[in-house]
Amino acid sequence: DQQVKQNSPSLSVQEGRISILNCDYTNSMFDYFLWYKKYPAEGPTFLISISSIKDKNEDGRFTVFLNKSAKHLSLHIVPSQPGDSAVYFCAASAYSGAGSYQLTFGKGTKLSVIP
Amino acid sequence: NAGVTQTPKFRVLKTGQSMTLLCAQDMNHEYMYWYRQDPGMGLRLIHYSVGEGTTAKGEVPDGYNVSRLKKQNFLLGLESAAPSQTSVYFCASSDDTATGSEQYFGPGTRLTVT
Repeated sequence: DQQVKQNSPSLSVQEGRISILNCDYTNSMFDYFLWYKKYPAEGPTFLISISSIKDKNEDGRFTVFLNKSAKHLSLHIVPSQPGDSAVYFCAASAYSGAGSYQLTFGKGTKLSVIP
Repeated sequence: NAGVTQTPKFRVLKTGQSMTLLCAQDMNHEYMYWYRQDPGMGLRLIHYSVGEGTTAKGEVPDGYNVSRLKKQNFLLGLESAAPSQTSVYFCASSDDTATGSEQYFGPGTRLTVT
């Protein structure tokens, strides 16, 4: 049973336009959400996060929106640049006891930004 | 400051062979994790550690063992490799902030079991 779902395996966007990546979750115990970016042959790198008590977080060209009632979050990239082409993973965090938080990842969305 | 490093980068094993993957971090992080990533899948947690000398099972622990003898190192062992363990393995670490969530990943180890 997938607790974090990214239903679009891939997305193509023209350079300069907005990229919108979506993520849905089922576990209401998740209290923190993160987006990671991954280039081929590299490890994922942290991009942006949002606490469950907020509905928006912005960092430069990247904005994450959270709709708790719908259990949905989205990552907006504007304007999109060719260097943004990568796989984007949505991840959700929940406390797992003994002082530890565990991340549950979605399957990822491959973003291609076309020059 | 190298962050999180993993050794080796690539490895090919025959079924039944054993090996150990090494993860090292120089950020003095308390928490360390081992994930596997398979094609079309997200990262799945194998084992994790909340501090030196501690380990715990994640989502897919079967066939793996781990040890955290030093705070900066986290070892993942395969005692008898199987083709189903062909995957890319990522190590990560995080500090002990209130959220404890932002994890820093190594570059990965690509393992093929034939």
